[in-house]
Amino acid sequence: VTLLEQNPRWRLVPRGQAVNLRCILKNSQYPWMSWYQQDLQKQLQWLFTLRSPGDKEVKSLPGADYLATRVTDTELRLQVANMSQGRTLYCTCKTTGANYAEQFFGPGTRLTVL
Amino acid sequence: GDQVEQSPSALSLHEGTGSALRCNFTTTMRAVQWFRKNSRGSLINLFYLASGTKENGRLKSAFDSKERYSTLHIRDAQLEDSGTYFCAALYGSSGNKLIFGIGTLLSVKP
Repeated sequence: VTLLEQNPRWRLVPRGQAVNLRCILKNSQYPWMSWYQQDLQKQLQWLFTLRSPGDKEVKSLPGADYLATRVTDTELRLQVANMSQGRTLYCTCKTTGANYAEQFFGPGTRLTVL
Repeated sequence: GDQVEQSPSALSLHEGTGSALRCNFTTTMRAVQWFRKNSRGSLINLFYLASGTKENGRLKSAFDSKERYSTLHIRDAQLEDSGTYFCAALYGSSGNKLIFGIGTLLSVKP
């Protein structure tokens, strides 16, 4: 059973243009949602965890700037700006009530810089 | 510095044989997960362990938080096992952040 949907699944991004990604949670029993990036060197790295609607966070990493927003209990968004290197973004979810619970990954969104 | 050291970075197996992947941790981790990245780029959950061992089919995993390592054993490898395997550890006060190893590219050949 799929816990997470991500869209788009891939996108060509003109240099200097921002792109908006969405992640939809299909099971409300897993409300802790996070974003991870996988860079061109294949290293996976945690970006954000946002639990509550209205939560927002920003982060700048080599090759991209990020703004994450928890829109609703079931929707997480990520704006990617100033991207200079391609990457794949994954959202994840985990159940509540346990700090170190198992995380589940969405299918990912692959971004390529034009 | 690197907190999760995964080895080997690449592994080639003939069908029917087996081997082990290993992740060493530079600090005490609370739990570990193992994933396989399939051909579509999706990360498939293989195991979650807070301690001890688990087995699922031809895969078996162990986690020793005190000795700071985890292993993934593959036996009777099949062609469809090919892919990249990642370990990831949970640590820290929040438990929300998975720290990933660099991955092991497994190629299973006839």
